[in-house]
Amino acid sequence: DVQMTQSPSTLSASVGDRVTITCRASQNIFGWLAWYQQKPGKAPKLLIYDTSSLDSGVPSRFSGSGSGTEFTLSISSLQPDDFATYYCQQYNSYWGTFGQGTKVDIK
Amino acid sequence: QITLKESGPTLVRPTQTLTLTCTFSGFSISTSGVGVGWIRQPPGKALEWLALIYWDDDKRYSPSLKNRLIITKGTSKNQVVFAMTDMDPVDTGTYYCAQAFVPGDTKSFYFDYWGLGTLVTVSS
Repeated sequence: DVQMTQSPSTLSASVGDRVTITCRASQNIFGWLAWYQQKPGKAPKLLIYDTSSLDSGVPSRFSGSGSGTEFTLSISSLQPDDFATYYCQQYNSYWGTFGQGTKVDIK
Repeated sequence: QITLKESGPTLVRPTQTLTLTCTFSGFSISTSGVGVGWIRQPPGKALEWLALIYWDDDKRYSPSLKNRLIITKGTSKNQVVFAMTDMDPVDTGTYYCAQAFVPGDTKSFYFDYWGLGTLVTVSS
């Protein structure tokens, strides 16, 4: 099984900050990585697929990068709507493994 | 417009079987490159993928739970049915169905549309 480890688990930031979340895979997943945003009481929402492709309607302040086993999700200028929990998911294997999540909260 | 909605019991007794239905619109489960999956989330915890059914009726299950899971296409062509046997209080959580996009020949997948989820409590 591919294990996905996100860091940090919690991140405190202010509006306007640049934020970076890391996701590490236990083996090479090439570029087969997606990122989701989840707000309390809501379903997850796809943000990024194929490491760096933004889903339709996702603001350009979100970006993704990486390859192999290390990936990052960046938010260039944090907005009030971005306080949420973020999950990565690998899809190199046909078991859709999620990371444990990173909560972005208000500093 | 693609929508998905989960339905089923909100309370299940320990050892019983949970059966949930995902009713969707805006896409066909018969379209190549499409799947429907189930994901759960215990209260305050992370997402966990459970099962997926592909357009060609191929199926995938979480290795850690595969002996307890069944996923099938429903009798209506816009439904997928999910069952988990031998329910335990640790299985309490929100269960989501989601449309899967299958980008290549390996049948790996990510989820591009999600239902709202349904909270299932396992308690005697």
